[in-house]
Amino acid sequence: EPEVTQTPSHQVTQMGQEVILRCVPISNHLYFYWYRQILGQKVEFLVSFYNNEISEKSEIFDDQFSVERPDGSNFTLKIRSTKLEDSAMYFCASSQTVNTEAFFGQGTRLTVV
Amino acid sequence: QQPVQSPQAVILREGEDAVINCSSSKALYSVHWYRQKHGEAPVFLMILLKGGEQKGHEKISASFNEKKQQSSLYLTASQLSYSGTYFCGTVSRPTDSWGKLQFGAGTQVVVTP
Repeated sequence: EPEVTQTPSHQVTQMGQEVILRCVPISNHLYFYWYRQILGQKVEFLVSFYNNEISEKSEIFDDQFSVERPDGSNFTLKIRSTKLEDSAMYFCASSQTVNTEAFFGQGTRLTVV
Repeated sequence: QQPVQSPQAVILREGEDAVINCSSSKALYSVHWYRQKHGEAPVFLMILLKGGEQKGHEKISASFNEKKQQSSLYLTASQLSYSGTYFCGTVSRPTDSWGKLQFGAGTQVVVTP
């Protein structure tokens, strides 16, 4: 069954460093999303992406964050100058159209030290 | 504004039933249910739409009361595999993408033999 894949599964970075989290959405999906889940808390929407541009974003998604689809398969989340509070599980998701269900990847656990 | 889920946690014996509730203070267009097992991605269970339509991939039932802005997920004759954290995600406007979900805090379900 097709699935969303994310790499790496765990990343440790020093405060102030930049990180790039990578995702390969399901191949025929057109809408892509990033979510984060701070340990023990709910899953929070960050951003949605369609047709090579951001379509929706939450208040959390500030100038520190950016997303990109650098090629036909990858979808990335870049966090500039990471802070301790960026430590969380980051989930990528994709959906075929705007009104079909979203499928989630396994997540990348980001630890900022 | 995120939906409110209840209960926070429930412990069941195999074969018992449980109901998980999700309520919102704002009008809802659709409610999406996901189950997440520890360390894994949220897995899609079901979507309930305003107007009564349902889409699901598993034999799990749910209801959506549009007037009360509430949804309930019914775990019937629970199996060990039902253990996990159940999240409801909501979409408020028909123009929002189904990947832009506001998730509740989750309900932890433990099914014991």
